[in-house]
Amino acid sequence: AQSVTQLGSHVSVSEGALVLLRCNYSSSVPPYLFWYVQYPNQGLQLLLKYTTGATLVKGINGFEAEFKKSETSFHLTKPSAHMSDAAEYFCAVSATGATNKLIFGTGTLLAVQP
Amino acid sequence: GAVVSQHPSRVICKSGTSVKIECRSLDFQATTMFWYRQFPKQSLMLMATSNEGSKATYEQGVEKDKFLINHASLTLSTLTVTSAHPEDSSFYICSARYRASRYGYTFGSGTRLTVV
Repeated sequence: AQSVTQLGSHVSVSEGALVLLRCNYSSSVPPYLFWYVQYPNQGLQLLLKYTTGATLVKGINGFEAEFKKSETSFHLTKPSAHMSDAAEYFCAVSATGATNKLIFGTGTLLAVQP
Repeated sequence: GAVVSQHPSRVICKSGTSVKIECRSLDFQATTMFWYRQFPKQSLMLMATSNEGSKATYEQGVEKDKFLINHASLTLSTLTVTSAHPEDSSFYICSARYRASRYGYTFGSGTRLTVV
């Protein structure tokens, strides 16, 4: 079975500062990992995903994440936060099997201070 | 790109009535549709998975007679909340997986259901 743990339900950074959102996963098979962003009362937008190949994945809006198998981590980073980055971020892992359903972490609310 | 249109975005209904939520994939064939429920400030909980033309597979603890899912075509899936009660008030989101990409998931914009 797969699971995802997001450390820190709330993260606050200053505009221009580094953003680091933590995600650790548990999987008995090679995982496929995702980061999504959700703005209030909206659906989820894919930031980036790791399936195979290069472990450093670049996504939209300047975000990137690195798959570290030894640490079972897939932390999300952005060098310089922007006010528009304030949102809820979800890490997810795909489950094995025909349905490949996504298992989500509990989410991290990112606040960006001016 | 892949777009999923979800309607309505907000609905208020009276206790005991039924509400239907639609998700349409506009420019691709959604072979699999996932339905999630999200409580305020919480994560998404998978309710069920449906494949086109077959019965939905419900997650443990989800009442299949209360949350009716239909996936009659490759572009349309519906979730009907039957005999709604205030505790069914929540944010419901659909997600479609498209044929071209095994790990491509596109989410609808969500439906805020309030049962009064």
